[in-house]
Formats: sequence, C-alpha cells, structure tokens
Amino acid sequence: LAKTTQPISMDSYEGQEVNITCSHNNIATNDYITWYQQFPSQGPRFIIQGYKTKVTNEVASLFIPADRKSSTLSLPRVSLSDTAVYYCLVAYSSASKIIFGSGTRLSIRP
Amino acid sequence: DAGVIQSPRHEVTEMGQEVTLRCKPISGHNSLFWYRQTMMRGLELLIYFNNNVPIDDSGMPEDRFSAKMPNASFSTLKIQPSEPRDSAVYFCASRITSGGAYNEQFFGPGTRLTVL
Repeated sequence: LAKTTQPISMDSYEGQEVNITCSHNNIATNDYITWYQQFPSQGPRFIIQGYKTKVTNEVASLFIPADRKSSTLSLPRVSLSDTAVYYCLVAYSSASKIIFGSGTRLSIRP
Repeated sequence: DAGVIQSPRHEVTEMGQEVTLRCKPISGHNSLFWYRQTMMRGLELLIYFNNNVPIDDSGMPEDRFSAKMPNASFSTLKIQPSEPRDSAVYFCASRITSGGAYNEQFFGPGTRLTVL
C-alpha cells in the first residue's frame, strides 16, 4: 500500500537550517518526489522536485538516498516567513496514484 | 497568466442542497486535479484528469460526489446532496503532463465550503 509519511510538526529558529524527512517505502523506479509549501488560506505552492541524489534551487535542497525510500527537504537559514505547512508528494506511476503526506507544520521563532 | 481560477471562493449551503464548484485550469495545462482539505484528513486527492479523461477517481468519497471536465478549460465538482461532513476547502490544481518528468502542480485559491 503506497503511503507517504512525515513528522507532524517541527520547531526551529531564524537563521538555522531545517531538514524535514518524508518516508515513502513503496516508491518505484520512475516515481518523482515533490515538496509543496502551504500558508494559511492559500493553496499549496511548489518548492522543489527530485528523482534521485540531490537537487538544489534558490530556496531549498532535496536529498534522496540511493534506496529512495525517504527524502529530505532542506531549508537553509530559515526566516519567520518560512513558517508554514510542508507537504511531501509522491506520484506512484505504477498505480496512477498521487499521494500527499500529512504535512509537517514548521514553526520558526525569532 | 491568471493562474488556476476557482469559483466560488466561499459557499455556505444547507444540508441536502446541491453544490457545484468550478475550476478553470491554466491555459495549456492538460492535467487537472481536485483535492479536499480538512483538519482531520489533511489534503486528499479526489480525482484527476489527463486530457479531459478521468484517470483516478478512487478518492471520490461516495456517489454523492461527481466531477466532469467537458473541455480543456473547465471542470466542475458537484456534491448532491450535500452533508455537513462535506465541509472543507476544495482545491483545484493543474499541470502540464509531458515526457517522463512529473511537472509541478499549480493550485488555485480554493473554495471554502460550509454545509449547515
């Protein structure tokens, strides 16, 4: 059964690096991992996507180990405006299933 | 581009009434998704279409829910009859499906539905 699991919440402080891990044990060879950010009263917004190893863009990095059963979203030097809910999404191609994780509520303190 | 457009933004109705939510995807996008978000269940995929054809509707809760995509620029999600437990925020999202990559979804602002 395809499932995407992530921690319910995390706390950190401004200027710190934050790492949020998502577990996706049944991921297949062709499945992509995508992370979204959601602020209150808004729809989720794309952050980063990866397939294997490491992907980096202007806001985050995504680390995917060789077995691809988990992935880690890394936010460098967070600020108060990074307080949001972060979702991991896996598109399970073999089953035509798209499954969001339950979301990680990230709270950044001064 | 205006992004994904959803209407209405807010809907309050009474139990038993029919509710229709509307979505206009981004021009050129060929995949469309309907999601429901609640505190208890989080973000759930209800149904998605590729090139106007439903691909996976296993997330549709029951027969009271139906979705259509008559053309590439419009989709509806209908609940008939509505029940209080249908109260949630309903999001529509669209993306381009091409090649092997799984391209990002662009979400609309959502419709907040309250069924009394």
